[in-house]
Amino acid sequence: SQQGEEDPQALSIQEGENATMNCSYKTSINNLQWYRQNSGRGLVHLILIRSNEREKHSGRLRVTLDTSKKSSSLLITASRAADTASYFCAPNFGNEKLTFGTGTRLTIIP
Amino acid sequence: NAGVMQNPRHLVRRRGQEARLRCSPMKGHSHVYWYRQLPEEGLKFMVYLQKENIIDESGMPKERFSAEFPKEGPSILRIQQVVRGDSAAYFCASSHYRGENTEAFFGQGTRLTVV
Repeated sequence: SQQGEEDPQALSIQEGENATMNCSYKTSINNLQWYRQNSGRGLVHLILIRSNEREKHSGRLRVTLDTSKKSSSLLITASRAADTASYFCAPNFGNEKLTFGTGTRLTIIP
Repeated sequence: NAGVMQNPRHLVRRRGQEARLRCSPMKGHSHVYWYRQLPEEGLKFMVYLQKENIIDESGMPKERFSAEFPKEGPSILRIQQVVRGDSAAYFCASSHYRGENTEAFFGQGTRLTVV
């Protein structure tokens, strides 16, 4: 089925370090979104990158998109304990349906 | 502008009973999605609705599950004759379709426990 797949499945880093997670997909997209889910809560939209964009920033977040490789990455700089969460990508394949992979579980170690 | 409201937050049902989960989208949003999440897993797409229409229900089991989004009132996800395997968190999201960009806003979920 059409959805993105996040990698790695789990990531633990020290507070203050940068965290990078990746998303791969199989067919062409219109845009790609990243979401965060804190334990037991609903997803929160972080950033949307269009297919004609290569990089986008929002605060400590940096998202890149490589349509030739069908992949995106989310970089969180200067990580904080509050960044501990699961992160999901949602590629938009030209329809309105939003689907998610299994996510990357990020743990920030104080 | 209130966010997406789901109720109840927690629901306990005995096997064989019916579960009704409600979702009130954000004001002005006409698109609703329902997802199911098991512990330590991702969100599994169930159904996508617009007002009075089911657009895509490819992720919803054919039996016992149904969803609606009436012209007035919240979207309802209905599970008949619940079984233990239905225990999960059910999330609703809404969006205002603006062409290709579809940022979705999520509710806090309903945690269904079947005993």
